[in-house]
Amino acid sequence: QKEVEQNSGPLSVPEGAIASLNCTYSDRGSQSFFWYRQYSGKSPELIMFIYSNGDKEDGRFTAQLNKASQYVSLLIRDSQPSDSATYLCAVNPSGGATNKLIFGTGTLLAVQP
Amino acid sequence: DGGITQSPKYLFRKEGQNVTLSCEQNLNHDAMYWYRQDPGQGLRLIYYSQIVNDFQKGDIAEGYSVSREKKESFPLTVTSAQKNPTAFYLCASSIARYRPSTDTQYFGPGTRLTVL
Repeated sequence: QKEVEQNSGPLSVPEGAIASLNCTYSDRGSQSFFWYRQYSGKSPELIMFIYSNGDKEDGRFTAQLNKASQYVSLLIRDSQPSDSATYLCAVNPSGGATNKLIFGTGTLLAVQP
Repeated sequence: DGGITQSPKYLFRKEGQNVTLSCEQNLNHDAMYWYRQDPGQGLRLIYYSQIVNDFQKGDIAEGYSVSREKKESFPLTVTSAQKNPTAFYLCASSIARYRPSTDTQYFGPGTRLTVL
């Protein structure tokens, strides 16, 4: 079982819709969770992070964490064609004893105009 | 401007050659990292350094070497022992002075290495 799993996609949504990206992780002791956006040929850029169960909102982005079910999701409201990219989920495992991250393989999001 | 720079952007290597990828940051971050990304795969950790003059192997360190003589710099050498070096190489840094679990990594623009 992979440590951090994401559906590779592509996830196709129409412009203006809500895009929902999901990530599951295997280490129950994981402490913190990060979402990065990566445009084709570019490096990852941080969107947001979440540490506590529940929702965290930042503009059009909402991260949702459920530690009991071991999943974290990213919602993008009012999706725009410029949101088309690969979204990487990253997890800090091992009870937070180190600052190493484990990355998923990413979900490709395509927002259709 | 504060940030992380990597050079060169593109690098071509002949088989059997060693090459060194540069990574510099002026964010005053303590920790620096090197990742490799292959098509369809996630980022895999090669080496990381929490402090000057100290570094640890990541998950795929074989065929690579690093040094951390200055806080701002963390060069990566891809040696001829690395059997499949063609990949996108990403350098990252983080503050690392507080709780490790909340440490956030920021990435440089990357170097695309191709072996001819």
